[in-house]
Amino acid sequence: DAGITQSPRHKVTETGTPVTLRCHQTENHRYMYWYRQDPGHGLRLIHYSYGVKDTDKGEVSDGYSVSRSKTEDFLLTLESATSSQTSVYFCAISESGTSANEQFFGPGTRLTVL
Amino acid sequence: GNSVTQMEGPVTLSEEAFLTINCTYTATGYPSLFWYVQYPGEGLQLLLKATKADDKGSNKGFEATYRKETTSFHLEKGSVQVSDSAVYFCALSERGGSNYKLTFGKGTLLTVNP
Repeated sequence: DAGITQSPRHKVTETGTPVTLRCHQTENHRYMYWYRQDPGHGLRLIHYSYGVKDTDKGEVSDGYSVSRSKTEDFLLTLESATSSQTSVYFCAISESGTSANEQFFGPGTRLTVL
Repeated sequence: GNSVTQMEGPVTLSEEAFLTINCTYTATGYPSLFWYVQYPGEGLQLLLKATKADDKGSNKGFEATYRKETTSFHLEKGSVQVSDSAVYFCALSERGGSNYKLTFGKGTLLTVNP
């Protein structure tokens, strides 16, 4: 199994509070991704990174920011959580950015915003 | 933009039944196609992939053929087992901006009864 961990695995927070989710990899892969999974929507890309300090937006980036200060860590921050951000968040990594390249997924973080 | 449409579930089968999960896609170029599987409480893992037209991906008894003329990548298995119960996601990878990204279908829940 690819070495990907996410923390925390579960979190309950209140509307308006900041939340940071962490993704940590031991594979030294260049690309890292944050997705959210919601019933009826599949997985949707929030942000991704193609190198240290290099990030870009996905299709549902509003209300989220990311940072990548070192290869192994990719942080997702909800500056002021809202109930619509209740979801399961998955981190993924891939070795390169080619079309055929497989993405490896972490175990997920279940976030509930009350 | 790119999109993936897969048959809605849930799909319920008896053990040893034949499985087909339909997947069609819309893309502007020549995407790679993937099937990912998500077992309960886990992240996604790659099941199989195909990178060009007429390629057949296969793994664990599952198969899917990249059909460019029908823009399809249907998943099949000749004899399902209880352990195949999971959510299956069809996905495509195509260049968006300076990097490749995955676009997922909404997922199909498969339940196999003994």
